[in-house]
Amino acid sequence: GENVEQHPSTLSVQEGDSAVIKCTYSDSASNYFPWYKQELGKRPQLIIDIRSNVGEKKDQRIAVTLNKTAKHFSLHITETQPEDSAVYFCAALWGKLQFGAGTQVVVTP
Amino acid sequence: ETGVTQTPRHLVMGMTNKKSLKCEQHLGHNAMYWYKQSAKKPLELMFVYSLEERVENNSVPSRFSPECPNSSHLFLHLHTLQPEDSALYLCASSQATPAKNIQYFGAGTRLSVL
Repeated sequence: GENVEQHPSTLSVQEGDSAVIKCTYSDSASNYFPWYKQELGKRPQLIIDIRSNVGEKKDQRIAVTLNKTAKHFSLHITETQPEDSAVYFCAALWGKLQFGAGTQVVVTP
Repeated sequence: ETGVTQTPRHLVMGMTNKKSLKCEQHLGHNAMYWYKQSAKKPLELMFVYSLEERVENNSVPSRFSPECPNSSHLFLHLHTLQPEDSALYLCASSQATPAKNIQYFGAGTRLSVL
């Protein structure tokens, strides 16, 4: 079955710096890769996604890159702000969504 | 609000109780999901209903029993749970079409089993 590994498990960044979270997946047939942000006590919310026919997608300060050959994809957050502090989950879809274990991002002023 | 509503938000129950979690979506989706979220573990997919038919059951103990009476409503019936079942239970919905599998989550039910 699909297995998604996510690193790092925690990430502390200074406000204004960039944050990068990486995920790898095992099933080469996976074709959809969403990223969710979950603030403390709140529901996971989709922040960006990418499909397998695209290598990169950007939305303001957030970007996602996909390397299908290496079977990994990454979330990039630039110019981080305190409100970016949350747990971020990656996921990969082949038939069903499999989630990574999450990355706790802390942005310090 | 994402259009997916879960009730109750918090639930405390003893191991001999019977309770039900409810999920309702107003997004016109036709697939619904139950996930279990435990601390420092990946989201665990429990059940999937697509077009009101259960299509996924990930080796979940029989003390969890899902019900999907229509495409807008999903229930999780709980019976004789164990303390290790304490977790956040999240409902999600999406279109059943794989190309449109963007899932929207409810706020979850925080369950504590004493």
